[in-house]
Amino acid sequence: DIQMTQSPSSLSASVGDRVTITCRASQSISSYLNWYQQQPGKAPKVLIYAASSLQSGVPSRFSGSGSGTDFTLTISSLQPEDFATYYCQQSYNTPRTFGQGTNLEIK
Amino acid sequence: QVQLVQSGAEVKKPGASVKISCKASGYTFTTYYIHWVRQAPGQGLEWMGIINPSGGTTNYAQKFQGRVTMTRDTSTSTVYMELSSLRYEDTAVYYCARESATTIRWFDPWGQGTLVTVSS
Repeated sequence: DIQMTQSPSSLSASVGDRVTITCRASQSISSYLNWYQQQPGKAPKVLIYAASSLQSGVPSRFSGSGSGTDFTLTISSLQPEDFATYYCQQSYNTPRTFGQGTNLEIK
Repeated sequence: QVQLVQSGAEVKKPGASVKISCKASGYTFTTYYIHWVRQAPGQGLEWMGIINPSGGTTNYAQKFQGRVTMTRDTSTSTVYMELSSLRYEDTAVYYCARESATTIRWFDPWGQGTLVTVSS
């Protein structure tokens, strides 16, 4: 199975900050990498697919980059509604493994 | 609009089975794979398996092999996930999610989730 490792596990930031979350795969997954946001008590929703493609309706302050084994999710200017948990996921093969999540909290 | 609607919360005793439904609407049911993902309280997302609604073929995570069964009913555009021999640690929210039909695939949308509580 492909292991996905996110860092950091938690992050405190302020409204307006720029934040970056990283995700590393245990083997090369090309661009088969997606990012999801999960608000408390809600189902996850996709933000970025194929490493860098912005899902329709997602604000442009979210961006993704990377290929192979190393990927990043960047939020350019945090908004109050962005405080949530973020997960990376590989879709290179099954099982479709997820990172352990990054909990983004208000400082 | 495309949506997945899941059945309601369940409370089960250890050793029992639970069967959750996921009804699809707004698209051609047989065109897109459906995945099941669970989330234990305060924990991350755990992939359980996939079903192809067209032919009914499945692929389960090794952890759940022998305990999970995913089926579909094309007449009602519904996918089912049954988990047997329930343990306390199976307490979780269970989600179904549609996978895109493109080369690089992602989950969208997700169902609203079904809480399964295993308690004596």
